[in-house]
Amino acid sequence: DQQVKQNSPSLSVQEGRISILNCDYTNSMFDYFLWYKKYPAEGPTFLISISSIKDKNEDGRFTVFLNKSAKHLSLHIVPSQPGDSAVYFCAASAHTGANNLFFGTGTRLTVIP
Amino acid sequence: DGGITQSPKYLFRKEGQNVTLSCEQNLNHDAMYWYRQDPGQGLRLIYYSQIVNDFQKGDIAEGYSVSREKKESFPLTVTSAQKNPTAFYLCASRTSGSIDYEQYFGPGTRLTVT
Repeated sequence: DQQVKQNSPSLSVQEGRISILNCDYTNSMFDYFLWYKKYPAEGPTFLISISSIKDKNEDGRFTVFLNKSAKHLSLHIVPSQPGDSAVYFCAASAHTGANNLFFGTGTRLTVIP
Repeated sequence: DGGITQSPKYLFRKEGQNVTLSCEQNLNHDAMYWYRQDPGQGLRLIYYSQIVNDFQKGDIAEGYSVSREKKESFPLTVTSAQKNPTAFYLCASRTSGSIDYEQYFGPGTRLTVT
């Protein structure tokens, strides 16, 4: 059963506009969330993370928002740039056991110049 | 330059043959992971190891085997028992005891079995 879900397989936005990628999770034990960016035929690279004690974390053009009551997080990219075109994976972990990451299925973002 | 290397980038095998994928890291990380990526399915955990000489099955371990004889190395063998071995394989590592859970990924190996 998929514990982390990204229900939008793809998203297209115009350059300069905001990109919003969404992620939902079902396990209430998750307390740390990460976003990874992946180009074709390459390994994912870490983008930004957030702990469950926060509801927002910002790093340059990237902001992650966490809504624990809704079990929902989102990644905002402002302004979007053509180089942001990639697949974005949401991941979650619980501070128990092996601290493994559970990944969503990814959202392919295309930024149109 | 610290990082994770996976070799080769592309690998082709005939059905029925075992094949071993290499993963090496010089980040001094304790934990290492193997994932498989298929179109539309995200990353699925095959095996992980938190310390030398110890490893655990992930969600889809059937048809795979691993070893962890050295801290730097975590090779994955895809056996002939794996029903759908063609996929993109990713190795990752992480330092244990860290307060965050970030894993660092290698560049991946594309395995094609015909």
